[in-house]
Amino acid sequence: DQQVKQNSPSLSVQEGRISILNCDYTNSMFDYFLWYKKYPAEGPTFLISISSIKDKNEDGRFTVFLNKSAKHLSLHIVPSQPGDSAVYFCAATGAGDDKIIFGKGTRLHILP
Amino acid sequence: NAGVTQTPKFQVLKTGQSMTLQCAQDMNHEYMSWYRQDPGMGLRLIHYSVGAGITDQGEVPNGYNVSRSTTEDFPLRLLSAAPSQTSVYFCASLDGGGGYTFGSGTRLTVV
Repeated sequence: DQQVKQNSPSLSVQEGRISILNCDYTNSMFDYFLWYKKYPAEGPTFLISISSIKDKNEDGRFTVFLNKSAKHLSLHIVPSQPGDSAVYFCAATGAGDDKIIFGKGTRLHILP
Repeated sequence: NAGVTQTPKFQVLKTGQSMTLQCAQDMNHEYMSWYRQDPGMGLRLIHYSVGAGITDQGEVPNGYNVSRSTTEDFPLRLLSAAPSQTSVYFCASLDGGGGYTFGSGTRLTVV
């Protein structure tokens, strides 16, 4: 039973446009959400996070939006750059234990 | 400051062999975890530890053992390797801001 779902395995976006990556979760106890970026043959790197007390968090070109009623969060990258091509993982925690649960990831391709 | 160090980077095992994947962090983080990454499956939590002497199971713990005798080290043991354990393994430690620092991974093949 997947608690964190990334339903799009891949996404292609033109360079300079906005990339929107989506994530849904099922456990209403989750109260902290994170996005990670992963290049091939490297470990994931932390990108941005958001607490459930907020609905938006921004860091440079990256913004995460949280819709608690819909149990949905999204990562916006604008403008998209070639170096953004990677796999992006959504993760969540806070469901009464200390586990951090990841989604399956979305592979983002930035097209020239 | 090396962050999270995993060894080895690559390993090939025969079915039934045992081995230990090493993980060490120098950031004095209490929380450490092991994940495996498989195609189409994302990152799945194997075991985690909230501090020295404390470990707990994640989503896919079967076939793996862990121990946490020190804050720095969190080894993952495969007692009898199976082909289903062919995967890329990541160790991670959690900082106070809620973000994980991951190691660079161990690519394990069981034949």
